[in-house]
Amino acid sequence: NAGVMQNPRHLVRRRGQEARLRCSPMKGHSHVYWYRQLPEEGLKFMVYLQKENIIDESGMPKERFSAEFPKEGPSILRIQQVVRGDSAAYFCASSHTTSGQETQYFGPGTRLLVL
Amino acid sequence: AQSVTQLDSQVPVFEEAPVELRCNYSSSVSVYLFWYVQYPNQGLQLLLKYLSGSTLVKGINGFEAEFNKSQTSFHLRKPSVHISDTAEYFCAVRKNSGYALNFGKGTSLLVTP
Repeated sequence: NAGVMQNPRHLVRRRGQEARLRCSPMKGHSHVYWYRQLPEEGLKFMVYLQKENIIDESGMPKERFSAEFPKEGPSILRIQQVVRGDSAAYFCASSHTTSGQETQYFGPGTRLLVL
Repeated sequence: AQSVTQLDSQVPVFEEAPVELRCNYSSSVSVYLFWYVQYPNQGLQLLLKYLSGSTLVKGINGFEAEFNKSQTSFHLRKPSVHISDTAEYFCAVRKNSGYALNFGKGTSLLVTP
């Protein structure tokens, strides 16, 4: 059973470009969470999605960031017009249910560097 | 809102010595508690979690943690560390009715021979 997959593992963008980060949850999981890890910081929750629905995006910056989890295919975190402050590691996690007891399984992350 | 404080940013320790990584949390509601480990350039792996019941929780790789409600702590311990335990360790809390994990800033454990 493959774990959570993320690609690319590393992404370099120039200021003003777009970044697209992909996440395929574990088989059988329909709940996806995105977290951001800034240098020297812990992970911060960004958004929680189920298939075709954004459930909670309270941690997402109001501008330039968007997320989707279509019926088919991976979840996508999209950052438009990237700035240097967007440089971070972005982690995706998935779970089978949303029970508070449920373990969230994390992917290896995408490390975004904005030049 | 919940918050997590990991009191030590770095913990150096010699191989085969015991180690304790400290974690304190604050919350106005009941929470579940987690410890995750992150090896260099990898994702997070669950070490253990406290949901209810016995306050002493055993996890993978010989780690254990004790939940102390009165002190709002969830310290992680291992009686004898290995070089391979060198990694970043994150404490996290989640509301019983919630889904978002709230992480501490992490503790870097460095095990040397």
